[in-house]
Amino acid sequence: RKEVEQDPGPFNVPEGATVAFNCTYSNSASQSFFWYRQDCRKEPKLLMSVYSSGNEDGRFTAQLNRASQYISLLIRDSKLSDSATYLCVVNLDTGRRALTFGSGTRLQVQP
Amino acid sequence: EPEVTQTPSHQVTQMGQEVILRCVPISNHLYFYWYRQILGQKVEFLVSFYNNEISEKSEIFDDQFSVERPDGSNFTLKIRSTKLEDSAMYFCASSAQGETLFFGSGTQLSVL
Repeated sequence: RKEVEQDPGPFNVPEGATVAFNCTYSNSASQSFFWYRQDCRKEPKLLMSVYSSGNEDGRFTAQLNRASQYISLLIRDSKLSDSATYLCVVNLDTGRRALTFGSGTRLQVQP
Repeated sequence: EPEVTQTPSHQVTQMGQEVILRCVPISNHLYFYWYRQILGQKVEFLVSFYNNEISEKSEIFDDQFSVERPDGSNFTLKIRSTKLEDSAMYFCASSAQGETLFFGSGTQLSVL
C-alpha cells in the first residue's frame, strides 16, 4: 500500500454539486490528518485538520475512519472557486513531525 | 495575517552551481521545514529544524543540502552543487507547535 493514496481525478462537477474525496494511509498508528488545498503552481494551504470525531467547517466536512485507515472530505454546494487540487496529508509516524502528502485529487467545478 | 515569505520567487542556475534559497518564517513559530515539489509530482519532505538543529531529514536531503538559521529571522536552504534533478518548487514552512504547517509561496528552482 502506498503511504498516502488518493484518487487523482479529475473530478468534474457542476456548480452546486456535492463531491467527496477519499484518501487511504498505510500506518494504523498515524495520529494527525489534514486536508490541504493547492492551486496551480501555488503553495499548499491548510483547509482543515481531521479529528477522530469528524469536523465541519461551513460547506466542508472531514471524516476519519481509523479501522479502515481512510479519511474523507465532503464539499457541499460546490463553487467555481473550489476548483483546485486537494491534498491528503498525514503524519504517518508519531515519533516524527514530517508530514507525508498524497498526490492530490484535482477538482474542477464547472458553471 | 502573518505569513511565511520566501525569496527569490524564481531562481535559474547552471548545473554544478551553488544556490541559497531564503525564507522568513512566521515570527513566533519554532519549527521550520523545507519541502519540495517536482512539477507534476507530490510534495515531498526534505528537512525539519528545531532549536537550532536539524530534527529530521529525508533520504532526499543528502550531503549536497544544508540548512541554516543565521539570525533570528531567516532560514536558508543551500544546495551545494546543483543537479538537473534538483529542479523543483521549494517550499519553506513553519509551525508553532510542530503540527499545522504554514507554507511560503515557494521558490521555483530551474537547473540548466
